[in-house]
Amino acid sequence: QAQLVQSGPEVKKPGTSVKVSCKTSGFIFGSSAVQWVRQARGQRLEWIGWIVVGSGKTIYAQNFQERIIITRDLSTSTASLELSSLRSEDTAVYYCAASRGTIGSFDVWGRGSMVTVSS
Amino acid sequence: DIQMTQSPSSLSAFVGDRVTITCRASQTIRNYLNWYQQKPGKAPNLLIYAASTLQSGVPSRFSGSGSGTHFTLTITNLQPEDFATYYCQQSYTTLRGTFGQGTKLEIK
Repeated sequence: QAQLVQSGPEVKKPGTSVKVSCKTSGFIFGSSAVQWVRQARGQRLEWIGWIVVGSGKTIYAQNFQERIIITRDLSTSTASLELSSLRSEDTAVYYCAASRGTIGSFDVWGRGSMVTVSS
Repeated sequence: DIQMTQSPSSLSAFVGDRVTITCRASQTIRNYLNWYQQKPGKAPNLLIYAASTLQSGVPSRFSGSGSGTHFTLTITNLQPEDFATYYCQQSYTTLRGTFGQGTKLEIK
């Protein structure tokens, strides 16, 4: 059964970085795409970026362009998101989602990783 | 960047009603459009991809249509479990994957 297991909650200070991981299983990771989405409490979904796993090609949201890196590790079937220069507005639940079949159909989601940025 | 404009932002309906949610793209995205349902405290759930293809396991009362810049999600015979927030998303992975603002569907 397809599954995404995300890393645990993080508490970070402003100006530091955080790395959130998303370990996949139950499908061919190399044939998938993975996206990262975040949601602040009570707010809408905000797209962060995605990676086409086979090629490693990434596209990032303009708002995050300078601060994020999305990577994948084919040996462990894991995708990761690193966000730097954290600020309080980055406090949110971060979700990964995978598109296993038709590219762009993100049908498997992780449970989310809470990132809190506070001094 | 492509902007996705979703309407209405909220909607009230009775169990058994039919509702339609609209999503407009600022430029053509062909049929690269997903619809998700999200319940409080949960991850989104894919309902429709490629504008009109029902995801496996999703009830047939959900349907999607449209192409280019104008898309709709229709739910017929609303059930109590359908009251949630719905989002559209541009899904062409060579472009940025913008979400619509969301539509909160509430029980009347």
